[in-house]
Amino acid sequence: AQTVTQSQPEMSVQEAETVTLSCTYDTSESDYYLFWYKQPPSRQMILVIRQEAYKQQNATENRFSVNFQKAAKSFSLKISDSQLGDAAMYFCAYRGSSGSARQLTFGSGTQLTVLP
Amino acid sequence: NAGVTQTPKFRILKIGQSMTLQCTQDMNHNYMYWYRQDPGMGLKLIYYSVGAGITDKGEVPNGYNVSRSTTEDFPLRLELAAPSQTSVYFCASRTAEETQYFGPGTRLLVL
Repeated sequence: AQTVTQSQPEMSVQEAETVTLSCTYDTSESDYYLFWYKQPPSRQMILVIRQEAYKQQNATENRFSVNFQKAAKSFSLKISDSQLGDAAMYFCAYRGSSGSARQLTFGSGTQLTVLP
Repeated sequence: NAGVTQTPKFRILKIGQSMTLQCTQDMNHNYMYWYRQDPGMGLKLIYYSVGAGITDKGEVPNGYNVSRSTTEDFPLRLELAAPSQTSVYFCASRTAEETQYFGPGTRLLVL
C-alpha cells in the first residue's frame, strides 16, 4: 500500500518570505499523480498544485511550485512571497494507477502559520 | 456551476440515530468519493463510485452505506450513529484528468 509522509507538523514563515513544505511517499508504481491541497480554517479542501509522475518538469502555479524528485520519492511545495491568506493546513496526496478507486492517499498535514 | 455541494454543514446526532449526508455535483463527473477526516489527520476513503449504479468500499466503510442512482448525487447513509463516527465528512468528484474537487464538508458530532 502507498503511504505519504509529511514530517513537519507545523511550519511558520514571515510574510513575503519563502517557505518549503516537505512530502515523501512510498510506492512501487511508476505512473501516478501527486497533489498539494490547502485546507484553511473553513475546512474547504482547495487544490493548490498537481504533478504527473511522467513529467520531468516541475509544476508551477503562480507563487506555488514543486520540487519533484521521482527517484527519491520526494515532492516538496515551495510558497514564494508568502501572504497572510496562505495560512492553512497543507496536505500532500498521492493517486496511483492501480485499482478501480483511483482514490487519494493523504499525508497527515503541515500547519502553516504566516507571521505579519 | 456550483461544483460539489454538501448538506448539511453541521449536525449533532445521538448514539443510534440515523442520517443521510447529501452530496451533489454539477460537473458531470463519473467518479465520486466520500472521505472522513478525523482531528489532526488526513482524509480516509469511505466509499466511492465510478458511475451511476456502481459503488464500492474504500478503506473505512464500516457503519456506512451509499447509493448512486444518478450521475449528480452520491448520498452517504449512517444507520446507527456511534461516537467513533464523529468527524468531518468530505465528498469529492473527479475529472478525467485525475484532479479531485471537494465539497465544503459536513461536520458531524455524535453524542
